[in-house]
Amino acid sequence: EDQVTQSPEALRLQEGESSSLNCSYTVSGLRGLFWYRQDPGKGPEFLFTLYSAGEEKEKERLKATLTKKESFLHITAPKPEDSATYLCAVRPAQGGKLIFGQGTELSVKP
Amino acid sequence: DGGITQSPKYLFRKEGQNVTLSCEQNLNHDAMYWYRQDPGQGLRLIYYSQIVNDFQKGDIAEGYSVSREKKESFPLTVTSAQKNPTAFYLCASSIVQNNQPQHFGDGTRLSIL
Repeated sequence: EDQVTQSPEALRLQEGESSSLNCSYTVSGLRGLFWYRQDPGKGPEFLFTLYSAGEEKEKERLKATLTKKESFLHITAPKPEDSATYLCAVRPAQGGKLIFGQGTELSVKP
Repeated sequence: DGGITQSPKYLFRKEGQNVTLSCEQNLNHDAMYWYRQDPGQGLRLIYYSQIVNDFQKGDIAEGYSVSREKKESFPLTVTSAQKNPTAFYLCASSIVQNNQPQHFGDGTRLSIL
């Protein structure tokens, strides 16, 4: 069964304290892995797409990487405005539907 | 500005009542989707449509219905058959080709009165 698991469920950081969020997946072939940011009461905002192992994408303090079994979202020197829930989704090779993880709730304190 | 508009932002349902959630997009996307989000769970697909006048059931379609009469619009009806409708409902759209990401509206929160 295709599955996506994110860890940790919640992460509290001090401003400037770098860390990583994990997205592990089990799918029969990967067409793409997507990272989203979701603020409370809002819809998810698209961040990155990764297509193949070894690929990396960066945006400001965020860097997403991909291996054959997992993806990491690295947050360098986070600021309070980076506080949000980060969602990972996978599109298997068979079929076009996305499979979402349950998200990691990130809180960055000043 | 192109985007996806969901309305209303908050909705209350009485027992036995059907309610309809609106989703409109001006991104010229062919595909549209409805998801349900519950605390601590990943987004779950309710229905999706890749072309006007055609739609498919997702993983949790029971108690819901949709229509796709126009490319821009994909309304979701939560029927009285849905016994646990309290959730945050998200509409998304995407280009069908080339493995493109889905883009989301800001959701409708549905509660039971």
